[in-house]
Amino acid sequence: NAGVTQTPKFRILKIGQSMTLQCTQDMNHNYMYWYRQDPGMGLKLIYYSVGAGITDKGEVPNGYNVSRSTTEDFPLRLELAAPSQTSVYFCASRPGGLNYNEQFFGPGTRLTVL
Amino acid sequence: AQSVTQLGSHVSVSEGALVLLRCNYSSSVPPYLFWYVQYPNQGLQLLLKYTSAATLVKGINGFEAEFKKSETSFHLTKPSAHMSDAAEYFCAVSERGNQFYFGTGTSLTVIP
Repeated sequence: NAGVTQTPKFRILKIGQSMTLQCTQDMNHNYMYWYRQDPGMGLKLIYYSVGAGITDKGEVPNGYNVSRSTTEDFPLRLELAAPSQTSVYFCASRPGGLNYNEQFFGPGTRLTVL
Repeated sequence: AQSVTQLGSHVSVSEGALVLLRCNYSSSVPPYLFWYVQYPNQGLQLLLKYTSAATLVKGINGFEAEFKKSETSFHLTKPSAHMSDAAEYFCAVSERGNQFYFGTGTSLTVIP
């Protein structure tokens, strides 16, 4: 199993540009998450999904959109990039069922908006 | 509301010394608690988790943590630090399972 994969690894955007961060998991997990990590701030939840076709906002959803058309994929869309969106983005997944099942993380996407 | 506080954003220990990383949580119901480790330029990996089965939880790489309800704490310890333990450590809490709340992290430096 590849686990959770994210593409691209690095990206530089200009203000106002758009992009999609890709996330795929091959563990048949129901739950998927997008976080951003800023220095000294820990991880903040952007959006999450409890299954295909179901998404919900986290703590910091403004400026982002998501979709979940399949169990495997959970892309994150930035429509109008802003410098405040410079961050490292992590995708994670976990099985459903037991509430204490841990999350499995991807390697991250480092995004810079100039 | 859930929250996690990690005291000490940076901790330095000598190789072979005790590692103690602090985590306090707030939760309105019995929580599930997790410690994750992040090595440079990598994603987070699970070290250990508390699921209410036992208050002392043993994890990978010789780490363990004790759940203390009276102190609302879940501190991470390791008896003897190794150079390879240098990393960022995150405590996280979950009540209902849908969302996890992470602390701001503690960067561990191991001095040879």
